[in-house]
Amino acid sequence: NAGVTQTPKFRVLKTGQSMTLLCAQDMNHEYMYWYRQDPGMGLRLIHYSVGEGTTAKGEVPDGYNVSRLKKQNFLLGLESAAPSQTSVYFCASSYQLAEVQETQYFGPGTRLLVL
Amino acid sequence: AQSVTQPDIHITVSEGASLELRCNYSYGATPYLFWYVQSPGQGLQLLLKYFSGDTLVQGIKGFEAEFKRSQSSFNLRKPSVHWSDAAEYFCAVGGRGSTLGRLYFGRGTQLTVWP
Repeated sequence: NAGVTQTPKFRVLKTGQSMTLLCAQDMNHEYMYWYRQDPGMGLRLIHYSVGEGTTAKGEVPDGYNVSRLKKQNFLLGLESAAPSQTSVYFCASSYQLAEVQETQYFGPGTRLLVL
Repeated sequence: AQSVTQPDIHITVSEGASLELRCNYSYGATPYLFWYVQSPGQGLQLLLKYFSGDTLVQGIKGFEAEFKRSQSSFNLRKPSVHWSDAAEYFCAVGGRGSTLGRLYFGRGTQLTVWP
């Protein structure tokens, strides 16, 4: 049982390049999330998904797109990377019951540097 | 809207000393509250959570937290800190209704432990 895994672990991009971050979970969770972590800012929600085929915006969605084609995978895309997107990206998932906030389980993170 | 304040950016304690990390939240109803810990270069791990009932919650690694509704606080405590507790600690509040499933994080408190 691997939990939540993220690919890649580290990436360097040039401004304007595109890339996709992959998140996979093997816990059959319905909900999945993408966060970014910047020094002194805590974690901020980028996008999230409440089920296969659905996505929604979080606090800081601009410059990112997501897709949830399979229940176990949640992809985060940067179409045209900017230096402001240099950050550590975390994926999380949770088994969400109605009206009860469940625990989110986090992946190990992806460090992205945009030059 | 939900929000979390962690007033202390950085705390330093000696090994064996007691610890209290502060967390204040803003939410109109009974909150879901969480404490997560992040070791360097790692993802976030759940320490404990409060949903309802007993206001003193026990977690892993000897941590506990007390929910005080009158003070809108959920402070994390440990009676005797170990060097391995050095990490960053995040308090989070969970949403309800239309924001069910979402977590709102504080900016974190970095804990340094002196030998």
